[in-house]
Parts: sequence; structure tokens; C-alpha cells
Amino acid sequence: QVQLQESGPGLVKPSGTLSVTCNVSGVSVSSTYWWSWVRQPPGGGLEWIGEVFHTGTIYSNPSLRTRLTLSIDGSQNQVSLRLASVTAADTAIYYCALDSGLTEWGPGILVTVSS
Amino acid sequence: DVQMTQSPSSLSVSIGDRVTITCQASQDINRDLSWFQQKPGKAPKLLISGTSTLQTGVSSRFSGSGSGTIFTLAINSLQPEDLATYHCQHYYSLPYSFGQGTKLEIK
Repeated sequence: QVQLQESGPGLVKPSGTLSVTCNVSGVSVSSTYWWSWVRQPPGGGLEWIGEVFHTGTIYSNPSLRTRLTLSIDGSQNQVSLRLASVTAADTAIYYCALDSGLTEWGPGILVTVSS
Repeated sequence: DVQMTQSPSSLSVSIGDRVTITCQASQDINRDLSWFQQKPGKAPKLLISGTSTLQTGVSSRFSGSGSGTIFTLAINSLQPEDLATYHCQHYYSLPYSFGQGTKLEIK
């Protein structure tokens, strides 16, 4: 059974870099799945962030592309997201999910951007 | 980019009702549409993919239909555990995007 668990700092200062790690169990992150990221501002709708494959191929939302880094660490069986130059508008629950079809989700982590 | 417009944004319902939620795409997306259920404080859960394919374990009270630009999620005989927010998402082309969500509330 695939399980995903997000972790990272819950508070980031404006202009800083937001980092979230997704710990994966039950499947290798180096297998034939894409690893997706979605975010949801408090009380808001869902926004697709992007997806990464173990080969390093990344597809991302153009609205975030210049600030976004997605990566995979096969040795730790983790997937990671980094978002640079954050503002209050980046405050959201960040979810990782299995595959492009978002078939399984982690519980999410709330990251607040505030000084 | 494909934009998804979901309606209504909220719906007052009674237990036992048949509920329908609509999602309209800004262009033809074939049948590349999923529906998600999200309960308060929880992550979304995939209910339906490919417009009408129920995921394993999802109640047959849920059904999806549509093609092209108009899609519908129907819930027959609404049960208390169905009270949630429902989101549609297209995956026809990058970037994928979601509708604004529909929140079901008790009348």
C-alpha cells in the first residue's frame, strides 16, 4: 500500500525559499510513476503545481515555473519541492500525490509565509 | 491553458437527494477529467477518472458522465458521509487545472 507523508518547515519568511519533502513508502520513487504536487490556500481551491519523473523530467505550472524546483531522491525514497522568492500568496497546504492521475495523496502540510 | 468552471459553488442538500455537479472546460478535453472528494481537514480523494471510471472502493452511488466540454458528477441517494467538497480536474494538456470546487451542505 502506497503511503505519502509531507514534511518541512511550517513557516517561511517572505522572499525566502519554501521546501517540502514527501516521504514515500510502499513503492519506489524510481519506479514508473510520476510524482505530483498540488497546493490549496486556506479556504481556497486546488492548484496543480507540477510533476516529476525519476529520469528528471519535470512538467510544471507556468505560473510557478521560474521559482519552482522538483526533485527525486531515490536513496531516501523521497520527492521534494522547493519554491523560491515566496510571498504571502504562496501560503497554502502543499500535497504530494502519486502519479499524474493523483491516485493517492499525502495528508498535506500547511506552509505559512509570514515575517 | 484549459480553464475549468464548476457549478454550483455550494449546494444545500438533504439526505436521500440526487445531486448533480457540473464542470465545464474552456475547450474540448475529450474525456480527460477526474473528480475528487475532499472532507474538511483531509486531502482530496480520487473518485472518478476518465470521466466515468469509478476508483476501487468508491460507492456505486457516484457516477460521472460527459465529453468534450461539459461533465457531470451525480450522487444518488445522498448519504451523510457524502457531505464534502467536490473538485473536478482536467488532464488533457499541461498545465492540468481544477475547478473551483462545490461544497455540499445540509439544508
